Amino acid sequence: DAGVIQSPRHEVTEMGQEVTLRCKLISGHNSLFWYRQTMMRGLELLIYFNNNVPIDDSGMPEDRFSAKMPNASFSTLKIQPSEPRDSAVYFCASSFAGPLGNIQYFGAGTRLSVL
Amino acid sequence: GDSVTQMEGPVTLSEEAFLTINCTYTATGYPSLFWYVQYPGEGLQLLLKATKADDKGSNKGFEATYRKETTSFHLEKGSVQVSDSAVYFCALRENRDDKIIFGKGTRLHILP
Repeated sequence: DAGVIQSPRHEVTEMGQEVTLRCKLISGHNSLFWYRQTMMRGLELLIYFNNNVPIDDSGMPEDRFSAKMPNASFSTLKIQPSEPRDSAVYFCASSFAGPLGNIQYFGAGTRLSVL
Repeated sequence: GDSVTQMEGPVTLSEEAFLTINCTYTATGYPSLFWYVQYPGEGLQLLLKATKADDKGSNKGFEATYRKETTSFHLEKGSVQVSDSAVYFCALRENRDDKIIFGKGTRLHILP
């Protein structure tokens, strides 16, 4: 399996622009997590889904952020409009939610720079 | 709520030194415990895990023992290598939940 695939790996945009980050889950996994990592705040959970349903979005910073799972293998995280303070590395991770599962497998991340 | 506390970094050691990274947790139930490692430019990956008290997780020469009495899961390695330089995250997952609670991470530098 190719693992969790994130795109793009790097994104540079200007303040006010819309940014869309993409994530492909590992085949057979049914949970999807979006994280943000910065030097100041460390690793923060933004939102997670189970079987395509958002379970906990309490970490989403504000209404500018939205996440979707249009199907069982794909997710997007959208920021509109983007701001310089959104600059961070964004990771998605997938897992199989079950009694023997729950190990999260991370993608390589998207490094976002908002100028 | 549940939380994980791990020692502040960075930790700098010479090659072949003994490593300990302390981790303690607070949880209401009986969580599973994890150590994840993040190499430069990569996402986190599971290093080892333990699912119940007194379990010892081990991988790549690293070990950690689930100590319920002290609510700890300290990471140890007898002889570190330059290639072990990375950020190490202690984490827990309550059995009733899917999400993992991560510590803030400890950056490890190994000098040749």
